[in-house]
Amino acid sequence: SQQGEEDPQALSIQEGENATMNCSYKTSINNLQWYRQNSGRGLVHLILIRSNEREKHSGRLRVTLDTSKKSSSLLITASRAADTASYFCATVNDYKLSFGAGTTVTVRA
Amino acid sequence: NAGVMQNPRHLVRRRGQEARLRCSPMKGHSHVYWYRQLPEEGLKFMVYLQKENIIDESGMPKERFSAEFPKEGPSILRIQQVVRGDSAAYFCASSPDLTMDYGYTFGSGTRLTVV
Repeated sequence: SQQGEEDPQALSIQEGENATMNCSYKTSINNLQWYRQNSGRGLVHLILIRSNEREKHSGRLRVTLDTSKKSSSLLITASRAADTASYFCATVNDYKLSFGAGTTVTVRA
Repeated sequence: NAGVMQNPRHLVRRRGQEARLRCSPMKGHSHVYWYRQLPEEGLKFMVYLQKENIIDESGMPKERFSAEFPKEGPSILRIQQVVRGDSAAYFCASSPDLTMDYGYTFGSGTRLTVV
């Protein structure tokens, strides 16, 4: 089974609203990363949070990590149409990334 | 810096043919990772290579699939006698070393369609 599991599978919001998606994982990790994938494209690294960190910000992105619950969340504030994409969390153990199935976010203009 | 380059972007093969996917890592990167993405799924690890060495191929099917990263030239993922189930997007990522404290840079992928 996949290490990371995103929730919800799909999310539709109005431009300007916030988007929150969650990720749960099963085993211990070195760090957790979030990636974005636009339709038919490769993955773009968004943000990395280390296992000893609880929260991290990057621009309009906010990531939290709760290692006791083995979960993470990604918040995109003030969403834009360009944020329409699939978002994946990936846990890192040694050099391997383990991805969930992703959350598909649609931002309506 | 051109990033991780993969080619071709799209590849169509008939069942039984061979598919060769190429990945040129970022300049200065000597570690290459291949991942496969089936439709509506996340990426799955296939193989990790360093120059001239396969370090971990635990995610790669034992038959028909092989990978190499020669001293000179790109990394190659080779699929022999392709079947419809091989249809997927194949992504390559690279890193300069084994320090895992940063995000990976992925290529744009090769979308393989087996007809």
